[in-house]
Amino acid sequence: NAGVMQNPRHLVRRRGQEARLRCSPMKGHSHVYWYRQLPEEGLKFMVYLQKENIIDESGMPKERFSAEFPKEGPSILRIQQVVRGDSAAYFCASSGEYEQYFGPGTRLTVT
Amino acid sequence: GQQVMQIPQYQHVQEGEDFTTYCNSSTTLSNIQWYKQRPGGHPVFLIQLVKSGEVKKQKRLTFQFGEAKKNSSLHITATQTTDVGTYFCAGRAEGSARQLTFGSGTQLTVLP
Repeated sequence: NAGVMQNPRHLVRRRGQEARLRCSPMKGHSHVYWYRQLPEEGLKFMVYLQKENIIDESGMPKERFSAEFPKEGPSILRIQQVVRGDSAAYFCASSGEYEQYFGPGTRLTVT
Repeated sequence: GQQVMQIPQYQHVQEGEDFTTYCNSSTTLSNIQWYKQRPGGHPVFLIQLVKSGEVKKQKRLTFQFGEAKKNSSLHITATQTTDVGTYFCAGRAEGSARQLTFGSGTQLTVLP
């Protein structure tokens, strides 16, 4: 029973490029959450999605960031025109009955 | 919006000593969860508390939920090097769907 999968695990982008982060929830889970974690800091909620629907994007920056969870395929977190401040670990989680199961994260480095 | 504060931010203990981290919410919670993140790893669910005043134990770990359902604590008895990591509390506000607000975490270092 595979857990939450994220890829890539590490991503290096130059300033101005686009970053695409993918998340496949646990089998049977239809809710996905994205979090950002800066070094030595906590988890900052970004967005909560169900299949084909954004439930809560209150934590998403207004510009350059977008997320989707299509009917088929993984959830995608897209960051356009990346800047150095976007360097962080991005975790996705899918929810069971009440707890959240986290993926291994994508470490994004912007050079 | 809801805020969840956690203290201390860092804690260094000698192996065998006890450790406690505290979590306080600005709003009443329907439940609180605790997660552990090992260095370089991802958060892993430990436990959920739902009832006012609830106390749960997992071996050397004791979790408490305050009477007002606005605070919580995690206590580890006789720490071991395997306890190293960052402990996060995460609260779900009453009436909220499934979103959790995470505390900033307490990073525990256990010195052998």
